[in-house]
Amino acid sequence: EAGVTQFPSHSVIEKGQTVTLRCDPISGHDNLYWYRRVMGKEIKFLLHFVKESKQDESGMPNNRFLAERTGGTYSTLKVQPAELEDSGVYFCASSREYGRGFDEQFFGPGTRLTVL
Amino acid sequence: GQNIDQPTEMTATEGAIVQINCTYQTSGFNGLFWYQQHAGEAPTFLSYNVLDGLEEKGRFSSFLSRSKGYSYLLLKELQMKDSASYLCAVSTDSWGKFQFGAGTQVVVTP
Repeated sequence: EAGVTQFPSHSVIEKGQTVTLRCDPISGHDNLYWYRRVMGKEIKFLLHFVKESKQDESGMPNNRFLAERTGGTYSTLKVQPAELEDSGVYFCASSREYGRGFDEQFFGPGTRLTVL
Repeated sequence: GQNIDQPTEMTATEGAIVQINCTYQTSGFNGLFWYQQHAGEAPTFLSYNVLDGLEEKGRFSSFLSRSKGYSYLLLKELQMKDSASYLCAVSTDSWGKFQFGAGTQVVVTP
């Protein structure tokens, strides 16, 4: 089975611009998570979708970040307008069933975002 | 506060054993996971513990003590390809919200 894929792998933009990151989870996985790792820090939770619904968005930094998962398949994370502190690696992960917090999460390779 | 602590770096010789410790204090606990991450790649799952005790999977074993807030990952018969970052993560609720440690960089030398 294909793994979690993310696009683009790298993005370099200027402060104030908009960037949209995409994640395609493993087919049939209801749960989709977004995480972020900023330089030198640990990976941090951003939000969690169950199918097309946002289950938990407590980790979203501010309202410049907007995540969607139309139809419960792929997800997008838009940053508008981007700021310097948004630079980092954005990971997406998916897992099979909701309500099972001990399910393995499968991670994508991440999108490295650089804001200049 | 909430935190997950693990050593920053460990060095070991090919064929040896290395133990990576992880201590945690989190608001909730629904399992502890270990992931391996090579530079520029996706974290890949190694093992998880929900109950106290030792879980063995080939050359990798993981141990958990919930009362002590402590886990370790044991890597045996080290190979050069085991050079990577090892991430300790706690699932803090029943929905799989992970909280990560900063990762331990393991360097395997010939």
